[in-house]
Amino acid sequence: KAGVTQTPRYLIKTRGQQVTLSCSPISGHRSVSWYQQTPGQGLQFLFEYFSETQRNKGNFPGRFSGRQFSNSRSEMNVSTLELGDSALYLCASSSDTGQHNYGYTFGSGTRLTVV
Amino acid sequence: GENVEQHPSTLSVQEGDSAVIKCTYSDSASNYFPWYKQELGKRPQLIIDIRSNVGEKKDQRIAVTLNKTAKHFSLHITETQPEDSAVYFCAAATSGTYKYIFGTGTRLKVLA
Repeated sequence: KAGVTQTPRYLIKTRGQQVTLSCSPISGHRSVSWYQQTPGQGLQFLFEYFSETQRNKGNFPGRFSGRQFSNSRSEMNVSTLELGDSALYLCASSSDTGQHNYGYTFGSGTRLTVV
Repeated sequence: GENVEQHPSTLSVQEGDSAVIKCTYSDSASNYFPWYKQELGKRPQLIIDIRSNVGEKKDQRIAVTLNKTAKHFSLHITETQPEDSAVYFCAAATSGTYKYIFGTGTRLKVLA
């Protein structure tokens, strides 16, 4: 069974540019969440998608957006990149029965460096 | 707002000793508490979780305890081994949501 796949693994972008990150969840998982991991702030929740709908959103500016496709694959986009956006972006998927939480399975992440 | 405090930030133990990591959450609606282990350069991996309807859960050398009244939960690792060295994160969530609030992590070093 394939795990959560994130592409690309590494990205270097210039301030002001935009970037799109991709995530393919575990087959059958319909919930996909995104987190930003930095040494100073730890793991910060960005948003969560389920069946192409954003169900939860964290406290990030509108420059951070996402979407989910009918096959559960998800993308996140960051526009007008800032130096502070440099981080490891982790995608996680979960089997959602609607009743209980089941732990996330994380992908290996995309390391974004903004220069 | 929602917050999870985690202590200590670093912990060094001798191989074979026990390690305890503690977390406190603020949102009384939280009822799901997972723990993740992240080795250097790798993805976080779920090692154990507990729901608010139980006070303790064990899985071999790992156990988690929950005190709902005090809003505390703890990870206990017994008979530590060098491969337990990693950063451990606690988290809190409300059943039915997938918005996890993570603690800031504990770097555990097991000294051989």
